[in-house]
Amino acid sequence: KAGVTQTPRYLIKTRGQQVTLSCSPISGHRSVSWYQQTPGQGLQFLFEYFSETQRNKGNFPGRFSGRQFSNSRSEMNVSTLELGDSALYLCASSVQGEGAEAFFGQGTRLTVV
Amino acid sequence: QKEVEQNSGPLSVPEGAIASLNCTYSDRVSQSFFWYRQYSGKSPELIMSIYSNGDKEDGRFTAQLNKASQYVSLLIRDSQPSDSATYLCAVRGDNYGQNFVFGPGTRLSVLP
Repeated sequence: KAGVTQTPRYLIKTRGQQVTLSCSPISGHRSVSWYQQTPGQGLQFLFEYFSETQRNKGNFPGRFSGRQFSNSRSEMNVSTLELGDSALYLCASSVQGEGAEAFFGQGTRLTVV
Repeated sequence: QKEVEQNSGPLSVPEGAIASLNCTYSDRVSQSFFWYRQYSGKSPELIMSIYSNGDKEDGRFTAQLNKASQYVSLLIRDSQPSDSATYLCAVRGDNYGQNFVFGPGTRLSVLP
């Protein structure tokens, strides 16, 4: 069974640009969540999608957005990039249900210069 | 604001010893708890989940949960150098969602 796949693995962008990251969940998983990991702030929750609907949202500015498609694949978009957006962006997928475990993809390393 | 706290370490143990990793959480209604391991430059991988008070064992790993004390721990028996990594404690913020709150992680170093 294939794991969570994130593309691209690495990205270098310039301040002010926008970026789109992609996540394909484990087959059968309908919940996809996104996290930002930085050395200073650790792992922070961005948002979660289930059945194409945003179910939960973390405390990030509106420049961070996402969506989920009918096949459960998800994308996140960051507009007007800032230097502080440089981070490892992680996607996790799970089945629906109380106590369900989440499995992470390999992440996308975004560097903003 | 839900908070999860861990000792950042580094925690150093000799090979073959028991490593004990601790985590406390602030939200008394939290019901689901997870331990992830993250090697440098890699993504977190799930080690164990625990939902009920008491111990849960899986191979060399034992998770312990005490909801009254809002405390969860991970014991690693017969520690190996390959266990050297950062261990992240995660608490589910919503019983039906995947909005985990992560602790800062404890860096474990197992010395040969």
